[in-house]
Amino acid sequence: GAVVSQHPSWVICKSGTSVKIECRSLDFQATTMFWYRQFPKQSLMLMATSNEGSKATYEQGVEKDKFLINHASLTLSTLTVTSAHPEDSSFYICSAREWVTEAFFGQGTRLTVV
Amino acid sequence: SQQGEEDPQALSIQEGENATMNCSYKTSINNLQWYRQNSGRGLVHLILIRSNEREKHSGRLRVTLDTSKKSSSLLITASRAADTASYFCATDGNNDMRFGAGTRLTVKP
Repeated sequence: GAVVSQHPSWVICKSGTSVKIECRSLDFQATTMFWYRQFPKQSLMLMATSNEGSKATYEQGVEKDKFLINHASLTLSTLTVTSAHPEDSSFYICSAREWVTEAFFGQGTRLTVV
Repeated sequence: SQQGEEDPQALSIQEGENATMNCSYKTSINNLQWYRQNSGRGLVHLILIRSNEREKHSGRLRVTLDTSKKSSSLLITASRAADTASYFCATDGNNDMRFGAGTRLTVKP
């Protein structure tokens, strides 16, 4: 199947700093990418949907100035958590798909803010 | 926000038994997908069923979809201890993809 590479797989950062997470589609054109956040023992919560070349559409309650999403190419989307705080510690997962097809998921990034 | 609910929230069975998980959703969909997730890890795609399909099989997996009731079920037959994981349905709607709450399946050897 198609491959989505998410990097880094884990990161620890100090409170107040910013962290960038990358999501790459390796063998297909990701016209749409989704970003999710998952807290322990909970489901994946959709944060935002991004279409290549367009601004991301954020879910209600997700601060777009805090979670910056860039989808400038058909193979790369980035999520930047700005001014991270301990409550932002979570598992972040991206998924990508080409038009209306099966979505493929990255392996996730475990963010710990200390 | 999440799309809907899954039940049961947790299911514990013996190896060899069948496991059935249900998913309900709220809005119209293009397709519905089932994923599994081992603790703290990424998602593994299991099966996709389109809105015009009613049933689909893949190995020991059987998925049904009832769009009139906005519900789907995942059946795992002859379960194995290695099937222990969390299972999520994801509904693919108008340019979004949302997950249900998930079912935590434990298969005891």
